[in-house]
Amino acid sequence: AQSVAQPEDQVNVAEGNPLTVKCTYSVSGNPYLFWYVQYPNRGLQFLLKYITGDNLVKGSYGFEAEFNKSQTSFHLKKPSALVSDSALYFCAVRPRSGAGSYQLTFGKGTKLSVIP
Amino acid sequence: SAVISQKPSRDICQRGTSLTIQCQVDSQVTMMFWYRQQPGQSLTLIATANQGSEATYESGFVIDKFPISRPNLTFSTLTVSNMSPEDSSIYLCSVEGQGGGQETQYFGPGTRLLVL
Repeated sequence: AQSVAQPEDQVNVAEGNPLTVKCTYSVSGNPYLFWYVQYPNRGLQFLLKYITGDNLVKGSYGFEAEFNKSQTSFHLKKPSALVSDSALYFCAVRPRSGAGSYQLTFGKGTKLSVIP
Repeated sequence: SAVISQKPSRDICQRGTSLTIQCQVDSQVTMMFWYRQQPGQSLTLIATANQGSEATYESGFVIDKFPISRPNLTFSTLTVSNMSPEDSSIYLCSVEGQGGGQETQYFGPGTRLLVL
């Protein structure tokens, strides 16, 4: 069975500082990896994904994520946080093939608060 | 990515009643998915809806409680039947990306349901 861990319920960072939201996963093979963001009273928005190739993936709104196969991690990063980045962030994984390969498994989410 | 709309955006319902949630996509998609996000929780897949076949339900979800229709390639409904307060959640539909991006799921804005 696949699982995703987001070890921090909340991350607080000062505006302008770099931010990191952590994600580790457990799934057989080489999964697809995703980050989504949920703003208050909104649906989920796709931020970025890792499919193959370069371990550093760039996405929307200046976010990037680094895939580390040996540590089975996919941490979300941004060099300079904005107050508008305050939201709930979800990491998700999906197998590349096999039964249930369409199924996304989500972490429990990390609330990011950027302090002015 | 596809543009996804959901109706209603929110509702307050009495226990024992049923609510049907609609999901409309602006392009034809093969697979549509229904998720539940309970208060303060992550997303859980309820079922996968393919046009022309019965929905496939995940463990813990049954057709009698969450009947799904998929009459065509741009539309689906999820009914929450015989509701109880435990059904209070955000219900989201999602679709697979198109044009080689099928590994990514895109989400609608969600329907916020409160059962009294």
